Amino acid sequence: DTEVTQTPKHLVMGMTNKKSLKCEQHMGHRAMYWYKQKAKKPPELMFVYSYEKLSINESVPSRFSPECPNSSLLNLHLHALQPEDSALYLCASSHGTSGLLGETQYFGPGTRLLVL
Amino acid sequence: GENVEQHPSTLSVQEGDSAVIKCTYSDSASNYFPWYKQELGKRPQLIIDIRSNVGEKKDQRIAVTLNKTAKHFSLHITETQPEDSAVYFCAANSRGATNKLIFGTGTLLAVQP
Repeated sequence: DTEVTQTPKHLVMGMTNKKSLKCEQHMGHRAMYWYKQKAKKPPELMFVYSYEKLSINESVPSRFSPECPNSSLLNLHLHALQPEDSALYLCASSHGTSGLLGETQYFGPGTRLLVL
Repeated sequence: GENVEQHPSTLSVQEGDSAVIKCTYSDSASNYFPWYKQELGKRPQLIIDIRSNVGEKKDQRIAVTLNKTAKHFSLHITETQPEDSAVYFCAANSRGATNKLIFGTGTLLAVQP
């Protein structure tokens, strides 16, 4: 399996709802990422997990809560979101073993989130 | 702070012509420079990348050049086809976290048949 998968494809939620986004990869990658992408903008990094530990949090509001239950899975728990959080949420993964060298990141298809 | 500038923001070419997109990065410690293509409603897909120990890399109709002194890198697409129409993002990795990518603002390429 050479792909990153994400569920659901689309999600509509109210501001008081709690929902979760899921991401899975079976490429043996040890680094996983969450990005937020608004229309006509580049992906914006939110979180990085390396060997199932959170290594980067780009000052993301606490209403977004990441979780990495194992090396293949990455979740993003959502609670009390605002309409401005509506965006495409992309998951990515990379080998995570290259040390000081940059690595190719492989993106999932994304979850398109609408907050009402 | 770290940033990557990308130009032009839009580019329209005739089928068969060449297209060039240019990026400038600020972090002299960046050592990895990928290019992603994103079609409407799809995921970003890596089309080519280059590391700082190489000046040029080519893959069929796509090439990337890197000038470390000037901190510039460019994407060259030859013999463009309508299916090349998409948004292209350049990126550079960050000094402080080598697996953190800083993306450029994107170039919308339209190839007119």
